[in-house]
Amino acid sequence: EVQLLESGGGLIQPGGSLRLSCAASGFTFSSYAMNWVRQAPGKGLEWVSGINTSGGGTYYADSVKGRFTISRDNSKNTLYLQMNSLRAEDTAVYYCAKDLGIVGIGALDIWGQGTLVTVSS
Amino acid sequence: QSVLTQPPSVSGAPGQRVTISCTGGSSNIGAGYGVNWYQQLPGTAPKLLIYGNTNRPSGVPDRFSGSKSGTSASLAITGLQAEDEADYYCQSYDSSLSGWVFGGGTKLTVL
Repeated sequence: EVQLLESGGGLIQPGGSLRLSCAASGFTFSSYAMNWVRQAPGKGLEWVSGINTSGGGTYYADSVKGRFTISRDNSKNTLYLQMNSLRAEDTAVYYCAKDLGIVGIGALDIWGQGTLVTVSS
Repeated sequence: QSVLTQPPSVSGAPGQRVTISCTGGSSNIGAGYGVNWYQQLPGTAPKLLIYGNTNRPSGVPDRFSGSKSGTSASLAITGLQAEDEADYYCQSYDSSLSGWVFGGGTKLTVL
């Protein structure tokens, strides 16, 4: 079964750091670009970051550029999101999502269940 | 304010047809970038419904269809069913932002 399982969320104070992980199974992880998408409570979806198959290409939304770092370990079938200098507005459910694999489309065909990050003092 | 504009809500009776619009601009949909659509049922992760403007992934009923014209795209749902009640999001690439963008979402209510 194709599956993505996020972990690492929790309550963190403003200015703090957190690392999210996403364990993939059921597909050839190293063959697909991966993304993080977040959803603030009661709000819509926001693309956060993406990474290509090798990890050599990384992309970020302006709202997190310079604070978040996406990475992947293809030997462990795991995607990461290192989040630094966290702000209250980063509070959201964070989803990892697999790219469909068609170049230029950006469609996300497999999603994890999400992990909640709450930034509050 | 989302780069892609969707109506906050739409509604329809069972069996009817509804459409959800997604309006962008010259740096996203109008630039030729494809549009994807997602369905998010309450309390669950989003699910891919349409990719590349008009294509349905395996398992998505043909009641769901997508189209694109100029700077806008639309999702049509025919034969509306109670289980279609959900939030729907469009997505495309924006060259000005150099990243993927989502619409603000549309809540579909089945009357």
